Amino acid sequence: GAVVSQHPSWVICKSGTSVKIECRSLDFQATTMFWYRQFPKQSLMLMATSNEGSKATYEQGVEKDKFLINHASLTLSTLTVTSAHPEDSSFYICSAVRGRSSYEQYFGPGTRLTVT
Amino acid sequence: AQKITQTQPGMFVQEKEAVTLDCTYDTSDPSYGLFWYKQPSSGEMIFLIYQGSYDQQNATEGRYSLNFQKARKSANLVISASQLGDSAMYFCAMREGPSGGYQKVTFGTGTKLQVIP
Repeated sequence: GAVVSQHPSWVICKSGTSVKIECRSLDFQATTMFWYRQFPKQSLMLMATSNEGSKATYEQGVEKDKFLINHASLTLSTLTVTSAHPEDSSFYICSAVRGRSSYEQYFGPGTRLTVT
Repeated sequence: AQKITQTQPGMFVQEKEAVTLDCTYDTSDPSYGLFWYKQPSSGEMIFLIYQGSYDQQNATEGRYSLNFQKARKSANLVISASQLGDSAMYFCAMREGPSGGYQKVTFGTGTKLQVIP
């Protein structure tokens, strides 16, 4: 099966600090990865699309300078929340698409970020 | 306008009974796909079933089946013989455009299913 991991699974940080979340496809290459944000009892909101070797495409309303995305290889994408504030506290989920013609997204287990 | 609408915020079903979770969608793209995902309390999104807009048959995967009514733009999930482990949030989602390349997916607001013993 296709496995996607995220690290860390949860993190607590202080306001003003930066946090990096890693998303890895463990047994397949992913040219495209997605980053989602989910508030409690709400749906997943797409933040950005990460393509290997190119700049991420951000959804409307998502601050690209605050949520830095890097997709340096076919198996790794990172999301860095810069100068975190309590309102950034959320559940962040990544997903990866296997191959170029697959419709299936494989989701990571998510990262719960709490900013104090 | 909402692209994916799930009108049932919560549902109860008796164990071993069947349950239908509603989903309607809105798109003008002739090529699209519909997904159902399960999210247990652990948070992980679990893929359940997929239906392509050009698929002639309704998709089935074990106890899950997708009742695809293209003209009505609905893609309801049917879970047969409910089990206690089916208690979770269920999300309907849609990708627009042909397979390959950009695979942006839009999610509905979810339905919380609780299976009663």
